[in-house]
Amino acid sequence: AQKVTQAQTEISVVEKEDVTLDCVYETRDTTYYLFWYKQPPSGELVFLIRRNSFDEQNEISGRYSWNFQKSTSSFNFTITASQVVDSAVYFCALSERNNNAGNMLTFGGGTRLMVKP
Amino acid sequence: GAVVSQHPSRVICKSGTSVKIECRSLDFQATTMFWYRQFPKQSLMLMATSNEGSKATYEQGVEKDKFLINHASLTLSTLTVTSAHPEDSSFYICSARALGLAGGETQYFGPGTRLLVL
Repeated sequence: AQKVTQAQTEISVVEKEDVTLDCVYETRDTTYYLFWYKQPPSGELVFLIRRNSFDEQNEISGRYSWNFQKSTSSFNFTITASQVVDSAVYFCALSERNNNAGNMLTFGGGTRLMVKP
Repeated sequence: GAVVSQHPSRVICKSGTSVKIECRSLDFQATTMFWYRQFPKQSLMLMATSNEGSKATYEQGVEKDKFLINHASLTLSTLTVTSAHPEDSSFYICSARALGLAGGETQYFGPGTRLLVL
């Protein structure tokens, strides 16, 4: 069975600080996908990134960067120079490839990030 | 691209009534949509997988007669909460599966529906 753990339930930082959100996953499959979603107070989940299990290259998108390490089963997310608008709940999720219609997502518990001005 | 809408965004109803929530993929076709439920300060719980043209697949513990799902077209899935009770009050979110380049897929989520049953 697959599992996603986000050990940090809440993080509070001051604006302009860098912050890293941890994500550790468990899966028996060799082919899988990892995701990060952002859920602002409005409730909508915003897709941030998808990474497949064969691509361990780190990715940077503006102030966001992701560090995928299969050796430690981790897919951590760093926000550089955080801003108040980054305040949200961030979810890490795992999807295994299977033969059924629709790969199901397993979500972590989420990390609530509060960025104070 | 990959926009998913959900309607209504908020609904308040009396106990015993039924409520229908619509989920639409606006700029892509989705053979598969998913329905989630989220309680305050908790993660998302998958309720069911909705497949166009076939019956939905429900997760363990989710009553199929309570939460009716209809995936009538490639862009529309509906969730009907029948005979709603206060314990059904929650945030319901749908997602639609979009195939990505070079394989793989991503779920794009709707804005959610807040249901309050009095």
